[in-house]
Amino acid sequence: QKEVEQDPGPLSVPEGAIVSLNCTYSNSAFQYFMWYRQYSRKGPELLMYTYSSGNKEDGRFTAQVDKSSKYISLFIRDSQPSDSATYLCAMNLHSGNTPLVFGKGTRLSVIA
Amino acid sequence: NAGVTQTPKFQVLKTGQSMTLQCAQDMNHNSMYWYRQDPGMGLRLIYYSASEGTTDKGEVPNGYNVSRLNKREFSLRLESAAPSQTSVYFCASSGLTVATIAKNIQYFGAGTRLSVL
Repeated sequence: QKEVEQDPGPLSVPEGAIVSLNCTYSNSAFQYFMWYRQYSRKGPELLMYTYSSGNKEDGRFTAQVDKSSKYISLFIRDSQPSDSATYLCAMNLHSGNTPLVFGKGTRLSVIA
Repeated sequence: NAGVTQTPKFQVLKTGQSMTLQCAQDMNHNSMYWYRQDPGMGLRLIYYSASEGTTDKGEVPNGYNVSRLNKREFSLRLESAAPSQTSVYFCASSGLTVATIAKNIQYFGAGTRLSVL
């Protein structure tokens, strides 16, 4: 079993829809959780950063962590064509300089 | 502030040729990383350098070597390129500085697209 599992999609939704992207993980010691967004032919860029369990909101984006279920989610409200990208979850044990463990990414298309 | 800069952006090699991918960051980060990204495989860590003077193998180190030249620069070398090394290569850095909120967040370059024929 991979440490981090993420459905690769592709996921196609109409403009204005609510999008839910998810990752599950096996290591209960993970404490730091991130979502990266990667546009086509670009490098990943940080979208959301959370520590431990709970919700974090930033504009149309909400990151949710459920450590008891080892499950994290990213919700996108009122999705826009500009949200079309690949979304990668990432996590690690420490706040220090150790490599992140990435999911494989979910490819999202928002259709106008 | 350029962040993480990778050169070249594109490269085509013949099997057996060698080349070095360059990466430089201007964020004063301690740690640097090299990944490859292939369709359906996600990001796979090749090597990383937790601090200047140290390097460690990642998930897929075979066929690659790295050099942490100084705090800013981390290069990836393919000594004898193979078609299986056709991929998009990303460099990243991380570290706690005035400009970053946490030292485990990685910042990525734009990537190098490498084709080995």
